[in-house]
Amino acid sequence: DTGVSQDPRHKITKRGQNVTFRCDPISEHNRLYWYRQTLGQGPEFLTYFQNEAQLEKSRLLSDRFSAERPKGSFSTLEIQRTEQGDSAMYLCASSSLNRGNTEAFFGQGTRLTVV
Amino acid sequence: ELKVEQNPLFLSMQEGKNYTIYCNYSTTSDRLYWYRQDPGKSLESLFVLLSNGAVKQEGRLMASLDTKARLSTLHITAAVHDLSATYFCAVDSGNQFYFGTGTSLTVIP
Repeated sequence: DTGVSQDPRHKITKRGQNVTFRCDPISEHNRLYWYRQTLGQGPEFLTYFQNEAQLEKSRLLSDRFSAERPKGSFSTLEIQRTEQGDSAMYLCASSSLNRGNTEAFFGQGTRLTVV
Repeated sequence: ELKVEQNPLFLSMQEGKNYTIYCNYSTTSDRLYWYRQDPGKSLESLFVLLSNGAVKQEGRLMASLDTKARLSTLHITAAVHDLSATYFCAVDSGNQFYFGTGTSLTVIP
């Protein structure tokens, strides 16, 4: 296992189209996070899973955003009816609580450009 | 909501010099992490600080945590060009990581 994997790395889409991103966490990690990062800013929290349960989703930016982790392994983030303001880097991270250490490991991200 | 502030936001320093980046946060937490990000890349974990008084060192970087003051520092010793990057601190609230605004470091030869 080489770390958190995200696919695709880059996505260009027309405004109004739907997009879906995939994240494969480190295999033994039960926690999975989605973040969004725009240029010059720190990562902004979107949602969080522990195993297959989505424990926090109030930060999803609008009802156009949804995330799933159906079997507690990989996760998908979907954006419906994309807008230009959705252009950003979408980062996935995973972690596992171990003696109080919840260190999160990040994937390479999916860069979304909405034209 | 937990707030995390870093300063400075931008730091330009000469090779060989020392400097400290500060990370203040607004509510109690004893889990703080430092990350490095190169342009266009993802975040690389640097340090894990899990208790008051924790100090970790790796090469020219040293991180510390004072949970009572809600303050973490990242100290750079004898900077080299390879350290140029953006550095983020992140505080774990239990169900998410709150990130600071980042410090963009440029080391000038």
